[in-house]
Amino acid sequence: NAGVTQTPKFQVLKTGQSMTLQCAQDMNHNSMYWYRQDPGMGLRLIYYSASEGTTDKGEVPNGYNVSRLNKREFSLRLESAAPSQTSVYFCASSEVGDTFMGEQYFGPGTRLTVT
Amino acid sequence: DAKTTQPNSMESNEEEPVHLPCNHSTISGTDYIHWYRQLPSQGPEYVIHGLTSNVNNRMASLAIAEDRKSSTLILHRATLRDAAVYYCILMENYGQNFVFGPGTRLSVLP
Repeated sequence: NAGVTQTPKFQVLKTGQSMTLQCAQDMNHNSMYWYRQDPGMGLRLIYYSASEGTTDKGEVPNGYNVSRLNKREFSLRLESAAPSQTSVYFCASSEVGDTFMGEQYFGPGTRLTVT
Repeated sequence: DAKTTQPNSMESNEEEPVHLPCNHSTISGTDYIHWYRQLPSQGPEYVIHGLTSNVNNRMASLAIAEDRKSSTLILHRATLRDAAVYYCILMENYGQNFVFGPGTRLSVLP
């Protein structure tokens, strides 16, 4: 199993450009998440999807949109990139239920620089 | 969301035990205590979680205070590969929203 995969690994954008970060998981998890991590900081939740067809805002949703394309895939879109969105972006997935308590599996991250 | 407090950094010698503390004085009765770690240039990885009782797994042990206001992650024999940032996180039962603080940066000296 590949676990959680993210593309691209690195990206440089100019201010105002748009792009979509892709995430896929092969663990049949219901829940998926997008986080950002600024230098020297912990992760902050941008959006999450508790199940296919649902999405909810996290702590820092402004400037981002998400799509839960199907159970496997959860994409993050920056419509008009700003330098403040320079960060490392992590996707994660988890299963929550009677025998799972939300252990999250993380992808390797996308390092985004906006100039 | 309930908050946790951890030391910014700790050091350990290789092959010695490491005790990483976490304070969570505002924990509620339904909050689970989760620990994750993040190796350099990688995404976080799950270490262990618990509710009230102490927990052991192949990676570590989790000791939870009787009043649940603090917990300690125990690495029994630190290796160089254990050098990472360790995050202590509270999660509501079936909750979806993890709040990562800055964590504790563990250095392991050979």
